[in-house]
Amino acid sequence: DIVMTQSPLSLPVTPGEPASISCRSSQSLLHRNGNNYLDWYLQKPGQSPQVVIYLGSNRASGVPDRFSGSGSGTDFTLKISRVEAEDVGVYYCMQTLEVPLTFGGGTKVEIK
Amino acid sequence: DVQLVESGGGLIQPGGSLRLSCTASEISVSNNYMNWVRQAPGKGLEWVSVIYSGYIHYADSVKGRFTISRDNSKNTLYLQMNSLRAEDTAVYYCARAKNYPFYFDYWGQGTLVTVSS
Repeated sequence: DIVMTQSPLSLPVTPGEPASISCRSSQSLLHRNGNNYLDWYLQKPGQSPQVVIYLGSNRASGVPDRFSGSGSGTDFTLKISRVEAEDVGVYYCMQTLEVPLTFGGGTKVEIK
Repeated sequence: DVQLVESGGGLIQPGGSLRLSCTASEISVSNNYMNWVRQAPGKGLEWVSVIYSGYIHYADSVKGRFTISRDNSKNTLYLQMNSLRAEDTAVYYCARAKNYPFYFDYWGQGTLVTVSS
């Protein structure tokens, strides 16, 4: 199985400041078609998860452009250019290259 | 609006069985990759299973004990859970992926399964 490792575990942020979350996979998520099979999800407190980024760098419908995904192969990053209060919650990366699909352990983003 | 509504959770003794349902509206369970994802209390997300036509897969942790299925006439996804263990205690979400490669664009609200004596 592909192991997904996220860091940091917790990320206190100041509104208006940038934030960055790292995700590493135990094997390359780069498909031969050139896409990276890596998604990012946000689970806000008390809610179901929602997709933020898919295929490594594509913002899902309705996601603000302050969110961006980058990286390739085994190293990926989710960046928030200017954190807003509504961005708090736990962020998860997930690989979709092969089953079983696997998630990272999560990064909790909270306001300082 | 697309809705996925899970039901069937509850308190069950170890070794028991339970069937979860996920009823969909505005999308068809028959032509989407329908998934179950679970979350143990205070823990992260764990993918459980997927079904699409003849494409069916399970996490190793549930293989041989859980069975995913669907009823197209009822537009409902199921998860039959047998030989339940304490470690199966979790909120179970159904989630839709429109095609491969997957991303889950619609999620249900989840149903809690508690395995305890």
